[in-house]
Amino acid sequence: KQEVTQIPAALSVPEGENLVLNCSFTDSAIYNLQWFRQDPGKGLTSLLLIQSSQREQTSGRLNASLDKSSGRSTLYIAASQPGDSATYLCAVRMDSSYKLIFGSGTRLLVRP
Amino acid sequence: GAVVSQHPSWVICKSGTSVKIECRSLDFQATTMFWYRQFPKQSLMLMATSNEGSKATYEQGVEKDKFLINHASLTLSTLTVTSAHPEDSSFYICSARDLQGIRTDTQYFGPGTRLTVL
Repeated sequence: KQEVTQIPAALSVPEGENLVLNCSFTDSAIYNLQWFRQDPGKGLTSLLLIQSSQREQTSGRLNASLDKSSGRSTLYIAASQPGDSATYLCAVRMDSSYKLIFGSGTRLLVRP
Repeated sequence: GAVVSQHPSWVICKSGTSVKIECRSLDFQATTMFWYRQFPKQSLMLMATSNEGSKATYEQGVEKDKFLINHASLTLSTLTVTSAHPEDSSFYICSARDLQGIRTDTQYFGPGTRLTVL
């Protein structure tokens, strides 16, 4: 059974700092991995999707990497801003069913 | 494009009543929609996969008679929580796949519905 873990559970950093969020999964036979952002009481916004054959994806200040063999993904946020404060979730898709298995998330606070 | 809406955004009901939550894809057709539940400070757990024109597929441990799902059209799926109890209080989120869009791998998520059962 696939398990997805995210560390740290919470992170508080000063504005401008570069930071890394971690996601690990127990079964490396994934189809793809996706990073989401969730603001309090809101739905999810997709940030980056990495196919199993890819190593990384970039969008603006965000860079996500994937090491399938070791069961790890990282989300790198450059020059963090207070507007980046949110919960970041990673999710893996195992097969063609499109079902996603989510990690428990990292709550990020970027202090002005 | 690819917007998913949910209605209501929040609902409070008495124990024993039934509550219906709607999930709509506003600008695309979605033959498959997903229903998730999220408890406070926990992650999303998939409850069921909703297929247009056929019965929903429920995840292990989810009572299909308690959580009724209807996917009657290509743009609407509904989740009815029957005989709701306080332990059903949660944040319910739906998602949908845009089969005709460029990014068919992507699920688009609704804003969620906060259910509080008194």
